[in-house]
Amino acid sequence: KQEVTQIPAALSVPEGENLVLNCSFTDSAIYNLQWFRQDPGKGLTSLLLIQSSQREQTSGRLNASLDKSSGRSTLYIAASQPGDSATYLCAVEAKGGGNKLTFGTGTQLKVEL
Amino acid sequence: DTAVSQTPKYLVTQMGNDKSIKCEQNLGHDTMYWYKQDSKKFLKIMFSYNNKELIINETVPNRFSPKSPDKAHLNLHINSLELGDSAVYFCASSVRGQPNTEAFFGQGTRLTVV
Repeated sequence: KQEVTQIPAALSVPEGENLVLNCSFTDSAIYNLQWFRQDPGKGLTSLLLIQSSQREQTSGRLNASLDKSSGRSTLYIAASQPGDSATYLCAVEAKGGGNKLTFGTGTQLKVEL
Repeated sequence: DTAVSQTPKYLVTQMGNDKSIKCEQNLGHDTMYWYKQDSKKFLKIMFSYNNKELIINETVPNRFSPKSPDKAHLNLHINSLELGDSAVYFCASSVRGQPNTEAFFGQGTRLTVV
């Protein structure tokens, strides 16, 4: 059974800092890993999708890496801004899982002025 | 244009009532999902439909009955609501058989059972 864990559960940083969020999964038989952002009371916004054959993906100030063999992914946020404050969720799509996503527990990020 | 839309956004109801949540996607995707986010913010799959056919049913009580009239719609009907059903329910869609495409989520429906 696939289990996804994210650390830290919460993180508070001053504006301008670079930061790393971590995601680990127990079963490496995945198609892809997706990072989402969730703002309070809102839905999920997809940030990056990394295919199992890829090592990293970049979008603006975001860079996500994937090490499938070790069951780990990181989301790097450069030059953080208060607008980055949100909960970040990683999710994996496992092989044979019918396209469902298994989510991590989330990291609640606060970027302070 | 909203890609995945759910209605209502908020739903407050009494125990024992029956309620429905509607979901529609205009992305042309063939697979739709219902996820539940509990009070601890943990998201878990409930159901998945592909072209109106049930694909995934993750040990959800049979008081929950999804219905897919066509591949662009997936509604969730809940009978005899219980306090423990209070949660945020998210609808999502993607393309089956193309696992390396993103899943898109609706804004969520916050259900409160009192």
